[in-house]
Amino acid sequence: GNSVTQMEGPVTLSEEAFLTINCTYTATGYPSLFWYVQYPGEGLQLLLKATKADDKGSNKGFEATYRKETTSFHLEKGSVQVSDSAVYFCALSDRGQGAQKLVFGQGTRLTINP
Amino acid sequence: EAQVTQNPRYLITVTGKKLTVTCSQNMNHEYMSWYRQDPGLGLRQIYYSMNVEVTDKGDVPEGYKVSRKEKRNFPLILESPSPNQTSLYFCASSPRGGTGVGTGELFFGEGSRLTVL
Repeated sequence: GNSVTQMEGPVTLSEEAFLTINCTYTATGYPSLFWYVQYPGEGLQLLLKATKADDKGSNKGFEATYRKETTSFHLEKGSVQVSDSAVYFCALSDRGQGAQKLVFGQGTRLTINP
Repeated sequence: EAQVTQNPRYLITVTGKKLTVTCSQNMNHEYMSWYRQDPGLGLRQIYYSMNVEVTDKGDVPEGYKVSRKEKRNFPLILESPSPNQTSLYFCASSPRGGTGVGTGELFFGEGSRLTVL
């Protein structure tokens, strides 16, 4: 079946550091890939997405590229801010199965220190 | 404002006392779903609904019921709560629940933290 594996957290960085959160996936079909972010006390919200190989999703300074050859969708940001502190979830949706089979990774807690 | 609204946000209850967590969305979305979030386990799907009167089990449906009588509402019912249902619950909706490119973009409520003693 489909699955998503994220790097284990928590991750702690200083402000303006470079961020990478690794995400790899296993899928039997042709997945769309997502990064969701959960700020403290809030629900998840979509951060970015990519729907086919080599697509790059980007939003709020974050980027992730859909790499079919390495089955990866790593999240990156060049210079993090304290306000980026949150839990980040990588997710996969198989286009043949749709939203009802959205698969989440376990989440990576990110803390940015001033 | 487009949103998914859950109530209650926090609840402490006792084993066996029936409770309902309400979920309402104002975006006319067809698809709705319930998840629970537990430390180390990420999000796990409880039930989902493709449209009115159409519901189906997710990965962890035991101990839960749902109904979808109206498009906007999707309540989660715990008929006889037990301590292992202590968790953070999220309702989510999506414009499309069917197959196709890009499905999987969900809009989440703020969560309902449930404690069963």
